[in-house]
Amino acid sequence: DIQMTQSPSSLSASVGDRVTITCRASQDIRNDLGWYQQKPGKAPKRLIHAASSLESGVPSRFSGSGSGTEFTLTISSLQPEDFTTYYCLQHNSYHITFGQGTRLEIK
Amino acid sequence: QVQLVQSGAEVKKPGASVKVSCKTSGYTFINYDINWVRQATGQGPEWMGWMNPKSGKTGYAQKFRGRVTMTRDTSISTAYMELSSLIFEDTAVYYCARWAVDDLDYWGQGTLVTVSS
Repeated sequence: DIQMTQSPSSLSASVGDRVTITCRASQDIRNDLGWYQQKPGKAPKRLIHAASSLESGVPSRFSGSGSGTEFTLTISSLQPEDFTTYYCLQHNSYHITFGQGTRLEIK
Repeated sequence: QVQLVQSGAEVKKPGASVKVSCKTSGYTFINYDINWVRQATGQGPEWMGWMNPKSGKTGYAQKFRGRVTMTRDTSISTAYMELSSLIFEDTAVYYCARWAVDDLDYWGQGTLVTVSS
């Protein structure tokens, strides 16, 4: 199975900061990667698909980039509601795998 | 609007089986694969497998093969996930989610399964 290594596992930042989260795949997955946001007690919510395509209704401060084995999620100017947990998901094979998650905390 | 509504919380003893349902509405059930994902407290999501509602074809994560069965009833637009030989480590929230081209776009609300003696 394809392994996804997500970093950092946690990140402290302030409102207005720019932050970047990275996912590395154990093999080439082209752009078969999405990013999800999860708030406590809720199901994950999709933010980005195909590595860089923003889902409808998601604020433009979120962006994704990368292809092959290295991918990034960038939040350009953190808002209070962004302090939660983020996961990458690869679907290059029929077997989906998630990254371990990044918990974004207020500094 | 698209909705996936799951069955309620379950408490099971070790060795037992659990069957979680996922009733869909707001779209044509047979046109989208259903995936199942579980999440233990404080852990990341763990993908369990997928099912094509039209054909009934399934694909399971290696970890769950032999213990998980995904089925459906197209007459009521409902998918099911049954996990057998439960162990304490199977305690988690189980989600169904619709696969749309290249992401999981709609999710159920989650079903807490607790394995306790």
